Amino acid sequence: DAGVIQSPRHEVTEMGQEVTLRCKPISGHNSLFWYRQTMMRGLELLIYFNNNVPIDDSGMPEDRFSAKMPNASFSTLKIQPSEPRDSAVYFCASSLYRIVGQEFETQYFGPGTRLLVL
Amino acid sequence: KNEVEQSPQNLTAQEGEFITINCSYSVGISALHWLQQHPGGGIVSLFMLSSGKKKHGRLIATINIQEKHSSLHITASHPRDSAVYICAAFLAGGTSYGKLTFGQGTILTVHP
Repeated sequence: DAGVIQSPRHEVTEMGQEVTLRCKPISGHNSLFWYRQTMMRGLELLIYFNNNVPIDDSGMPEDRFSAKMPNASFSTLKIQPSEPRDSAVYFCASSLYRIVGQEFETQYFGPGTRLLVL
Repeated sequence: KNEVEQSPQNLTAQEGEFITINCSYSVGISALHWLQQHPGGGIVSLFMLSSGKKKHGRLIATINIQEKHSSLHITASHPRDSAVYICAAFLAGGTSYGKLTFGQGTILTVHP
């Protein structure tokens, strides 16, 4: 398997523009996580999905951020409109959540998307 | 005060030494996650545990639910272990796993 795939790897945009980040999880995984990492705030969980359903989006900063998972093999994180303070590295990770035992297995992280909003 | 605290923040060791990184949390959790981030930025999940101990190669993670404490041990450390180690706790909540809260990370440098 190719692992978790994220695109683009780098994105430079101007304030006010819409940004869409994409993630393809590992085949067979039923949970998907979006993280953001900045120097100031460290690593933060934005939202996670279980079987394509958002479970906890309490980490989503504000209404400018939205995430979707239309099917088991694709998710998007959208920022509209983007602001300079959104500049960060955005990671996607996937995992297998076992209902029996209610346990996540190891998360596999994508390489991240480095976003710069000017 | 953060809900998840790591110590030490910086750790320097000589190759071969036994290393311990600690993580304490002040709230109820459903699981604890140890992550490793290399200087290039890539993140690797090391362990997810909710009780007891897990071992993978030279890495061992333990958790004591009563004491609200987890440790990550590295035996026979090697320069390639140099990285930032992050613990993260899934806070017990209404959903099956609740909100994930991160420690500030421990920067480990292992010298040859």
